[in-house]
Amino acid sequence: AQKITQTQPGMFVQEKEAVTLDCTYDTSDQSYGLFWYKQPSSGEMIFLIYQGSYDEQNATEGRYSLNFQKARKSANLVISASQLGDSAMYFCAMRAGGFKTIFGAGTRLFVKA
Amino acid sequence: EPEVTQTPSHQVTQMGQEVILRCVPISNHLYFYWYRQILGQKVEFLVSFYNNEISEKSEIFDDQFSVERPDGSNFTLKIRSTKLEDSAMYFCASSGGRHTITYEQYFGPGTRLTVT
Repeated sequence: AQKITQTQPGMFVQEKEAVTLDCTYDTSDQSYGLFWYKQPSSGEMIFLIYQGSYDEQNATEGRYSLNFQKARKSANLVISASQLGDSAMYFCAMRAGGFKTIFGAGTRLFVKA
Repeated sequence: EPEVTQTPSHQVTQMGQEVILRCVPISNHLYFYWYRQILGQKVEFLVSFYNNEISEKSEIFDDQFSVERPDGSNFTLKIRSTKLEDSAMYFCASSGGRHTITYEQYFGPGTRLTVT
């Protein structure tokens, strides 16, 4: 069975500091994709970053990077230099062996001024 | 930048009524999806659609739900007889350009459905 686990329901970070949001996954498929989405209070889902299971390098997109550790089945999101606008819900997600994407329960990030 | 659009942004309906949620995916995408998010909960997959047919659906997507791509641009989700527990945010998503198959899915802004 496929599963995404986010164990941090809420996280606090000081503005301008880096923060890591944890995500572990489980799948028996060899080919899969891992994603992070941001959901601000307005409700929309904003795609942040993608990592393919065969990608050898960690994905980066601006201030976002994905720390992919395949053997440990983890795909943590690192946000560098946090900004007040980063306060939101963050979802880790996976797509494997089919069309559907499964999501974790999410981590709510609070950035303090 | 191309984006997925959804209408309406908020729909209020009475229990037992039919609703149709509308989506316009990104124009060169080939794969279309519906997800829902009950308030405060995780996003759940409902259905995927490719080549004018359902490619995968979840156990949530029962006979009360149907999807259609009535023309080259719209993608709709119909709920035949709404129940209180159908109240949720419904997201449409699309992925896959004509020349590459990508896992990335781009979400619309969502339609908040409230069943009273």
